Amino acid sequence: NAGVTQTPKFQVLKTGQSMTLQCAQDMNHNSMYWYRQDPGMGLRLIYYSASEGTTDKGEVPNGYNVSRLNKREFSLRLESAAPSQTSVYFCASRTRDSEYGYTFGSGTRLTVV
Amino acid sequence: AQKITQTQPGMFVQEKEAVTLDCTYDTSDPSYGLFWYKQPSSGEMIFLIYQGSYDQQNATEGRYSLNFQKARKSANLVISASQLGDSAMYFCAMREGLGAGGTSYGKLTFGQGTILTVHP
Repeated sequence: NAGVTQTPKFQVLKTGQSMTLQCAQDMNHNSMYWYRQDPGMGLRLIYYSASEGTTDKGEVPNGYNVSRLNKREFSLRLESAAPSQTSVYFCASRTRDSEYGYTFGSGTRLTVV
Repeated sequence: AQKITQTQPGMFVQEKEAVTLDCTYDTSDPSYGLFWYKQPSSGEMIFLIYQGSYDQQNATEGRYSLNFQKARKSANLVISASQLGDSAMYFCAMREGLGAGGTSYGKLTFGQGTILTVHP
């Protein structure tokens, strides 16, 4: 099924551990985004990639890095996880053919203990 | 300042009644888009409806309509004939810079969300 695939769906990390959240889309979308969702704060943009080969910071980039590996894949890395990074992470992609053509992944629930 | 404000943390409605979820926004960009998403307890983000700032008519999609009041900078979601399956979190979001030369790169800004509970 066409869409945005995120892995893993759930993860528990110890403080200081590192991990990479994977995101892949098969819709030939140019732009991709990483959001985090925290209670009472909605979704906040961490990083985005307007097109293959470019990445830029969003609203809450501290503690994260990203890689736009190719047009399909956009990964989010936590180098040294902190409890404040406990959240649900969503990857999204967007087509340029529609003003509202966004597709979201199903999310990764990350807990840092 | 918050760009998207949803002032109702929680709303309750009886099944088959209509409900309005409030959203106000703040932008100086003349060209923008407003979105509503539904997030059920399963967690996925479901697109409901979209309104462009230059659209003359209020957007409608089935039981969903967007009450767009540009001068008041509000974009309220109206759900008619509520169903039990409408119980979910609802997010309002905005994309600025839709015009030629816009540099928003499609970034969405979300409100805090409103939890809607539909009672039988």
